[in-house]
Amino acid sequence: DVKVTQSSRYLVKRTGEKVFLECVQDMDHENMFWYRQDPGLGLRLIYFSYDVKMKEKGDIPEGYSVSREKKERFSLILESASTNQTSMYLCASSRPRDTDTQYFGPGTRLTVL
Amino acid sequence: AQRVTQPEKLLSVFKGAPVELKCNYSYSGSPELFWYVQYSRQRLQLLLRHISRESIKGFTADLNKGETSFHLKKPFAQEEDSAMYYCAPAGGSARQLTFGSGTQLTVLP
Repeated sequence: DVKVTQSSRYLVKRTGEKVFLECVQDMDHENMFWYRQDPGLGLRLIYFSYDVKMKEKGDIPEGYSVSREKKERFSLILESASTNQTSMYLCASSRPRDTDTQYFGPGTRLTVL
Repeated sequence: AQRVTQPEKLLSVFKGAPVELKCNYSYSGSPELFWYVQYSRQRLQLLLRHISRESIKGFTADLNKGETSFHLKKPFAQEEDSAMYYCAPAGGSARQLTFGSGTQLTVLP
């Protein structure tokens, strides 16, 4: 069974803190993605990775960075959290030639105070 | 620039009534199109893809290239269809998805 897990379901941080969001998949997928989900805006792609140590910017990469040291793990980093980064963060993964069929994690609800 | 428009943020229908969720896209090339769904307290998941031409849970979607639309339809809505629905074309260097803003469907008893 396909499984994408995210390290935290809920997270509360303060402005200026460095925040790490972890995502792990056990399907040996090459592609991994980070989105943020906001009411009225849908899902917006932050970063994606199609191989270990490879990354590409999505539509809204500002204020974020990512790390992919191992195939199964894709981390999203907020270098200095701001209140406008309060959101639901979703991780997804997919097979290399099947990017459009993505498997999603449960999401992390991040609140930045 | 790629753009996906789902004009209805909220849509309510009664059980047994037909339902149509609209999706219009502006995309370079010939994208493949998908509908994703998120039921309450569940993960976002693929509902259907246009290339498969299949019916999933009674839903179908027809790609109209002339109107650049990919509306999702079901002839008889059920209460369990209540969910958030996202239209998503695939394209770009890694064929990544671009999601619309979503339509929250509520099927009333």
